[in-house]
Amino acid sequence: AQTVTQSQPEMSVQEAETVTLSCTYDTSESNYYLFWYKQPPSRQMILVIRQEAYKQQNATENRFSVNFQKAAKSFSLKISDSQLGDTAMYFCAFMKDTGTASKLTFGTGTRLQVTL
Amino acid sequence: GAVVSQHPSRVICKSGTSVKIECRSLDFQATTMFWYRQFPKKSLMLMATSNEGSKATYEQGVEKDKFLINHASLTLSTLTVTSAHPEDSSFYICSATRDRDGNQPQHFGDGTRLSIL
Repeated sequence: AQTVTQSQPEMSVQEAETVTLSCTYDTSESNYYLFWYKQPPSRQMILVIRQEAYKQQNATENRFSVNFQKAAKSFSLKISDSQLGDTAMYFCAFMKDTGTASKLTFGTGTRLQVTL
Repeated sequence: GAVVSQHPSRVICKSGTSVKIECRSLDFQATTMFWYRQFPKKSLMLMATSNEGSKATYEQGVEKDKFLINHASLTLSTLTVTSAHPEDSSFYICSATRDRDGNQPQHFGDGTRLSIL
């Protein structure tokens, strides 16, 4: 079974600053995907970024980037130039690459507060 | 693209009633949909995987007779909470993926807040 651990229940960052959210996971699989999802107060789950385990290059989406360390099973999310709209719960998630649609295993989440 | 609609967004009902929640993929065909449950300030826990045209696959500990799932078409899956009780009160979220290959991300509905009095 896979497990996903987010060790930071809450984080705070000032607007325009950079913040890094931590995520570690445990799996015996060699092929898998990792995701960061954002859940604002509206409760909708929004995909932030995705990483294929077979790719060494870290994924980047505008102000969001990841530091994927496969050997260490670490998958942190860096948010640059933080904006008030980034305030949300952030969930790290793991998905096995089974060749078919597969379930997501979520971490416990990190509540990020962006302040003025 | 990849919009998932979930209805209703909120429901309040008396103990003992059954509640149906719909999950629709609006602009793509979803061969697989997932149903999650989220307790306050907690993570999402998968309840079941819904496959079009076949029986749902339930996670361990989830009562299949209580949480009925039907995936009758490529754009619609329903979750029915039967004989609901206060302990069933929670936030239920569905997600859908557009293909069978497993390399596409899941797209989530807005969730349904269920409150049983």
